[in-house]
Amino acid sequence: GEDVEQSLFLSVREGDSSVINCTYTDSSSTYLYWYKQEPGAGLQLLTYIFSNMDMKQDQRLTVLLNKKDKHLSLRIADTQTGDSAIYFCAEWIATGNQFYFGTGTSLTVIP
Amino acid sequence: DGGITQSPKYLFRKEGQNVTLSCEQNLNHDAMYWYRQDPGQGLRLIYYSQIVNDFQKGDIAEGYSVSREKKESFPLTVTSAQKNPTAFYLCASSPWEGRNEQYFGPGTRLTVT
Repeated sequence: GEDVEQSLFLSVREGDSSVINCTYTDSSSTYLYWYKQEPGAGLQLLTYIFSNMDMKQDQRLTVLLNKKDKHLSLRIADTQTGDSAIYFCAEWIATGNQFYFGTGTSLTVIP
Repeated sequence: DGGITQSPKYLFRKEGQNVTLSCEQNLNHDAMYWYRQDPGQGLRLIYYSQIVNDFQKGDIAEGYSVSREKKESFPLTVTSAQKNPTAFYLCASSPWEGRNEQYFGPGTRLTVT
């Protein structure tokens, strides 16, 4: 099966930028997504990027995709305490309609 | 408001009892999914359904059963055969076309003692 890997933990100071990284092994992904999960809640879709794009910006969020290295990242500018959560990357491979989630990165924002 | 609802938020059961978790969506999505999440872990797919009256096993289907009699509803039954049923259960739906992004419900925390 597909492996989607993320670092388990990340700590940043309030006001700094956060960068959450994700690597995957199957290069045939169609769309890649970032989700946010707050404690005891479901996953909230934050943003997505089509596989033929390199970058997408959405307010404080910037998604970078390096298809050659199979690397996806999410940058959160001016990180706030409300950004503390678990962040999951996910990929959808249209052929076979396979959806894979990463292991999740727990972001802690220090005031 | 469109969305996915799961009920109840918390569920307690005695060992040996079957329990059914509810999932309803009004997004008109064709596909629905059930995931299990254990503390500090990612999501594991239990079952998914692409269309009414059809469903497929995911990675950890043993000890679970589902039905899809209506497009809006995809209940999950945790049977007594599931060895470690205590977990956080998440339901999701997707349009099965276009970007096919999954939208999640708020989850049900099941505790079996």
